[in-house]
Amino acid sequence: GQNIDQPTEMTATEGAIVQINCTYQTSGFNGLFWYQQHAGEAPTFLSYNVLDGLEEKGRFSSFLSRSKGYSYLLLKELQMKDSASYLCAVSDSNYQLIWGAGTKLIIKP
Amino acid sequence: IAGITQAPTSQILAAGRRMTLRCTQDMRHNAMYWYRQDLGLGLRLIHYSNTAGTTGKGEVPDGYSVSRANTDDFPLTLASAVPSQTSVYFCASSDSAGGGSYNEQFFGPGTRLTVL
Repeated sequence: GQNIDQPTEMTATEGAIVQINCTYQTSGFNGLFWYQQHAGEAPTFLSYNVLDGLEEKGRFSSFLSRSKGYSYLLLKELQMKDSASYLCAVSDSNYQLIWGAGTKLIIKP
Repeated sequence: IAGITQAPTSQILAAGRRMTLRCTQDMRHNAMYWYRQDLGLGLRLIHYSNTAGTTGKGEVPDGYSVSRANTDDFPLTLASAVPSQTSVYFCASSDSAGGGSYNEQFFGPGTRLTVL
């Protein structure tokens, strides 16, 4: 079966750095997406990785290792507005997105 | 209209009733999707459409139907609602159904549906 695993919840301090991990087992791989979802709102796109390595976009970076079926989202200089759920999704062999349950990130002052 | 709109925002429905959730996008995207989101579970694909005139079944299609008569609209119908269909429903669209970051999915604001 297809499976995406992420921690359910993480807590971090304002101004700090946090890493959210995602492991996956899917039928085929056509890229991995990270989305941010604030409570009561729609998911919004953060990043996309299809090749191994690190993609940096401002305070957010995303890493992929295809051989390990592993990705992480790195958030630097945390701000209170970063409190949200972070969703990992893999595009499978049919280009359908398989979604993890999301990681709820709580930022404390 | 800017992006994707969904209607209604929320709805309480009696079991056995028929309900259509509306979704409209103005980005001229070819592909559209319907997901449900339940606490503790990831987004699950109900139905999708790669282009106007075609539809396909996702992971959890039972009890739902869709149509794609034109590029902009992708309604989701519950023929006879049951309590297990209580969920938040998101409509999404992407430029095409292929891979690549340019095929990121854009989401509507969601419809919160409660079936009693």
